[in-house]
Amino acid sequence: EVQLLESGGGLVQPGGSLRLSCAASGFTFSSYAMSWVRQAPGGGLEWVSAVGESGGSTYYRDSVKGRFTISRDYSKNTLYLEMNSLRGEDTAVYYCAKAGRGTNMILDYWGQGILVTVSS
Amino acid sequence: EVVLTQSPATLSLSPGERATLSCRASQSVNNYLAWFQQKPGQPPRLLIYDTSNRATGIPARFSGSGSGTDFTLTISSLEPEDFAVYYCQQRFSWPPLTFGGGTKVEIK
Repeated sequence: EVQLLESGGGLVQPGGSLRLSCAASGFTFSSYAMSWVRQAPGGGLEWVSAVGESGGSTYYRDSVKGRFTISRDYSKNTLYLEMNSLRGEDTAVYYCAKAGRGTNMILDYWGQGILVTVSS
Repeated sequence: EVVLTQSPATLSLSPGERATLSCRASQSVNNYLAWFQQKPGQPPRLLIYDTSNRATGIPARFSGSGSGTDFTLTISSLEPEDFAVYYCQQRFSWPPLTFGGGTKVEIK
């Protein structure tokens, strides 16, 4: 059974930093791309970032480029999202999602999500 | 960036009725269009990928159709557990992956 468990969220001041983790199990982590998607309170879904199965290809939405970094640790089967220079508009539930192979962005399994609140 | 517009914003129906949800893309996304269901406090669940392929474990009452810029999700006969918000998403032209604004299917 595929399981994705996010952690690392919480309250942070504007300009602060946070690192989200997503522990993956139930599938061969090194064979699939992974992605982060967020949802502001009461809002819709917004894609944030993705990383290829090898970790060598990374992708970001424009509003987080230069501030967020996606990475993965194959020894721990864990996906990360390092978030710096956080802004109020980054407040959201962040979901990690399993994608397909290569650039196949079919997001077939999602974690339960973790809340990030950026506020003073 | 491909903009996805979903309509209607809210659909009020009774159990047993047929639901038809629309998703229109600002440019062709070929057939690389997916549908997700989301219930309050839960993550999205993949229903349909690449226009018409049901994901693992999705009941046959859910079906998808369309091509190019116009897509439809049909729920043939609404069950009580189907009342939720539905999102479409394209993966043809990315980054960024984009989602529609959602359609809420509520009990009439």
